[in-house]
Amino acid sequence: EAGVVQSPRYKIIEKKQPVAFWCNPISGHNTLYWYRQNLGQGPELLIRYENEEAVDDSQLPKDRFSAERLKGVDSTLKIQPAELGDSAVYLCASSLDPPVYEQYFGPGTRLTVT
Amino acid sequence: QKEVEQNSGPLSVPEGAIASLNCTYSDRVSQSFFWYRQYSGKSPELIMSIYSNGDKEDGRFTAQLNKASQYVSLLIRDSQPSDSATYLCAVPGAGSYQLTFGKGTKLSVIP
Repeated sequence: EAGVVQSPRYKIIEKKQPVAFWCNPISGHNTLYWYRQNLGQGPELLIRYENEEAVDDSQLPKDRFSAERLKGVDSTLKIQPAELGDSAVYLCASSLDPPVYEQYFGPGTRLTVT
Repeated sequence: QKEVEQNSGPLSVPEGAIASLNCTYSDRVSQSFFWYRQYSGKSPELIMSIYSNGDKEDGRFTAQLNKASQYVSLLIRDSQPSDSATYLCAVPGAGSYQLTFGKGTKLSVIP
């Protein structure tokens, strides 16, 4: 069974530039999560989708971050404009429908903002 | 506010020894608990989940849960150098499917 797929794996951009990350969850997993992980920290949730609906986006910095999950499968997370503090690893995870909690992570995208 | 606390380590154990990793959490109503392993430069990998008080064993791994003390631990028996990684404890809040992660404990198994 294929795992969570993310692209790109690495991205280096200059500050104020836009950037987008793509995620394809495990087949059959209707719940999708975007996390951000800073060095030496655990992942922090940015947004959670159940199918197409964003059901928890309270920690998404909405002034510069946006996300979408059209058709309830693939998802894209965008940052515009990027700031130096956005340098981190962006992780996508998926799970079966609640109340299942087991989440499976993709390989992540390491973003460096210069 | 949910908090998950772990000793950041590093925890060093000799090969073949038992590694003991600990996690405390603040939300008394949490019902399920997860341990993830994260190798350097890689993403977290789910290795154990536990829902009931007591012990749950899976191969060389044993998760122990004490809800009264708000404490969950992970024991790794016969530690191998390949177990060297950061271990993350994760806990969902009541009525929430959001996992709160600890900062992780870095384990080094010395050959």
